[in-house]
Parts: sequence; C-alpha cells; structure tokens
Amino acid sequence: GQNIDQPTEMTATEGAIVQINCTYQTSGFNGLFWYQQHAGEAPTFLSYNVLDGLEEKGRFSSFLSRSKGYSYLLLKELQMKDSASYLCAGADSNYQLIWGAGTKLIIKP
Amino acid sequence: GAGVSQTPSNKVTEKGKYVELRCDPISGHTALYWYRQSLGQGPEFLIYFQGTGAADDSGLPNDRFFAVRPEGSVSTLKIQRTERGDSAVYLCASSLDRKGMSANYGYTFGSGTRLTVV
Repeated sequence: GQNIDQPTEMTATEGAIVQINCTYQTSGFNGLFWYQQHAGEAPTFLSYNVLDGLEEKGRFSSFLSRSKGYSYLLLKELQMKDSASYLCAGADSNYQLIWGAGTKLIIKP
Repeated sequence: GAGVSQTPSNKVTEKGKYVELRCDPISGHTALYWYRQSLGQGPEFLIYFQGTGAADDSGLPNDRFFAVRPEGSVSTLKIQRTERGDSAVYLCASSLDRKGMSANYGYTFGSGTRLTVV
C-alpha cells in the first residue's frame, strides 16, 4: 500500500533549528512535496524534491533519499510565524499525491 | 484570477440536504483537484480533472458525491443527501498540468469551503 509517516507534533524554540522527518511508500515515485498550513488556512507550497540531496531555499531546506524512502524539512532561525502544520506528500507513478497527516510545529519564545 | 477561489467559505446545512461547492482555478491551469480535509489530517483526494474530463474520480467516497467542470475552468462539487460525516474542509487545487510539477511550484490551493452538516 501507499503510506506517508511523519511525527504528529514537534516543539522548538524561537531562533533554533528543527528537522521534520517523513518516510514514504508509494507505487512508483515522482517526487516529494512539503507544504505549510497555518490553522484555518490552505496549504502553501514549500518545496519539491525528485532527486537525492538537499535543496535550500532561504531558511528552509528539504532533503530526499530515494533509496531510504526518506525526506526531511529543515527550518533554521525559527520565527513565531513558523508555527504551523507541515505536510509531506509523495507523488506516485500517476502523479497522484499521497499525503501525510501533517506535523504540528509549536514554536516557543 | 490571481489565485484559486472557492465559494462559499463556510456552509452549514441540514442532514439530508443537497450542497454545491464552487472552485474557480487559476486562469490557464488545466489540472484541477478536489480534496477534503478533516481536523488534524492531511488532504484526502476526491477527484482530478484534466480539462473538462474527470481523469481520476477514484477518491469519491460514494455515489452521493459528484463533480463537474463543463468548460474546463470552474468546477462544482455536488453532494447529495448530506450526512454528518461529510463535515470537513473541502479544498480545491489547480496546476498547469498534472506533470507540471517542478522545484518552483506545486499545486495552488484555494482557501477551502468549511462544510458543517447538522
């Protein structure tokens, strides 16, 4: 079957670094997405990885290992506004997105 | 338009009633998706349109759910004989095409319609 696993909740301190892990199993693979979703709002696109390695975009970086079925989202210099849910989604052979339940990130001052 | 627009933003309906939810995608986006999301869960796929046709409706939970996109732009999700279990946020998303995923963008989601069946 197809499955995405990510932690339910994480807590971090303002100014620190946090890594949110995601493991995936999909029928075929056409990339791994990370989305940010603030409470009561729509998901917004953060990153897309299809090749192994690290993609950096400002304070956010995303890593992919296809052989391990593993990805992580790294958030640096955390700000209070980063408090949100972070959704991991894998694209299968039909480009259908398989979504995780999301990781709720709580930032404390 | 500049973004994906969904109306209404909130809908409260009585059990057994019929509802229609509307999605207006980004102009030029041929791919349109409907998802529903319950609290604390990721989006659950319902249906995918490529142009006017439903290319994949495998996520529709039963025959009470139906969606159309007659002119390849605006889409309407229709739910008949609503049940309390249908209560969720219904999200619409669009993209240039299904294979148009890149490092620079993914799907663009609308703000959703929060449906409450009482």
